[in-house]
Amino acid sequence: RKEVEQDPGPFNVPEGATVAFNCTYSNSASQSFFWYRQDCRKEPKLLMSVYSSGNEDGRFTAQLNRASQYISLLIRDSKLSDSATYLCVVRYTGFQKLVFGTGTRLLVSP
Amino acid sequence: GAVVSQHPSWVICKSGTSVKIECRSLDFQATTMFWYRQFPKQSLMLMATSNEGSKATYEQGVEKDKFLINHASLTLSTLTVTSAHPEDSSFYICSARAGGGDEKLFFGSGTQLSVL
Repeated sequence: RKEVEQDPGPFNVPEGATVAFNCTYSNSASQSFFWYRQDCRKEPKLLMSVYSSGNEDGRFTAQLNRASQYISLLIRDSKLSDSATYLCVVRYTGFQKLVFGTGTRLLVSP
Repeated sequence: GAVVSQHPSWVICKSGTSVKIECRSLDFQATTMFWYRQFPKQSLMLMATSNEGSKATYEQGVEKDKFLINHASLTLSTLTVTSAHPEDSSFYICSARAGGGDEKLFFGSGTQLSVL
């Protein structure tokens, strides 16, 4: 079983749609959680950290459920520029390395 | 914000040759450097972690004699793919951490290696 699992997609949605991505992680020692965005053959860029209380940044909302070892990302009012691969990332307690999911590809069409 | 400069952006080489990839932190001291590899449609997989002045720690399954990592200074880390083969063709990317309690990671722009 992969340490961080995501639905690879692609998710094809029209502009303005709301789309949600899910992610599960297997290691309960995971301490920190993030969503990164990666464009094709580019470096990943931090989108937002994920907190147990849930957090929002503009059109993006992230949720963490530690009991279920589940993370989600909600994108409202999708823009064409949101088209990318969204990576679920965890960091284990005591370690600095990041463990990446395979990513979920989002395609937003006009 | 902090910048990590990675070169080259892409390289094509013949099988059997060695390729060196450089990552430089331009405005901070990179105490720790992480090297990742990403095959098409797969996740970034950590290859090794290096701390300045120390030997790199390699992840299971990564050949340390094939992927040579040098982190001799706080602003430069290099990854050398020795005797490259077509199966080494991949996207290689570095990520630097400043240390001193700073948890942020800064990524290089990646290197696409194609071995013919």
